[in-house]
Amino acid sequence: DAGVTQSPTHLIKTRGQQVTLRCSPKSGHDTVSWYQQALGQGPQFIFQYYEEEERQRGNFPDRFSGHQFPNYSSELNVNALLLGDSALYLCASSWRGEETQYFGPGTRLLVL
Amino acid sequence: AQTVTQSQPEMSVQEAETVTLSCTYDTSESDYYLFWYKQPPSRQMILVIRQEAYKQQNATENRFSVNFQKAAKSFSLKISDSQLGDAAMYFCALGSGYALNFGKGTSLLVTP
Repeated sequence: DAGVTQSPTHLIKTRGQQVTLRCSPKSGHDTVSWYQQALGQGPQFIFQYYEEEERQRGNFPDRFSGHQFPNYSSELNVNALLLGDSALYLCASSWRGEETQYFGPGTRLLVL
Repeated sequence: AQTVTQSQPEMSVQEAETVTLSCTYDTSESDYYLFWYKQPPSRQMILVIRQEAYKQQNATENRFSVNFQKAAKSFSLKISDSQLGDAAMYFCALGSGYALNFGKGTSLLVTP
């Protein structure tokens, strides 16, 4: 039973650049949520994708955008990177958006 | 707005002993779920236990159990027979709708 996978594991970018993070959901899941976890904090909800549409969005600027593909995998895009975007980005999957979410290992993004 | 508060930044327990981690929350929703997630240094967020708000019976998963006090909006995690592998950050999370709202976490140290 394949769990949630994310790529890459680590990424270093400079201010102003753009980044794309990828996520494949757990086998049998069709919903993907993205979270940002700053150092020493709990994860913060960015948005959730279901049926290839953004279903709910947290308090994040439009620089954060996403996409879900027909195979349920998802991408998180961040434009015009700021130093404050440095964080661990977690992807979580669930079935039809049910409350129990299973997390991937995360992508550590460092913006210099 | 939904909030989750973990008032213990750090806790310590000896191997084989029992420890309780505290969590309080606030929500105006009547239908919600509560979770405890474990995040070891490897960063992977692992689901420990979940509780449906409509269930009066406290959830139990092997050595892990919760004390759910709905009126007091309290949701504590008890770890029995602590093991070295239990050392990690523990996050309490509230789910209502699509997003999970997390507390800031409690760092659990297990000493031999």
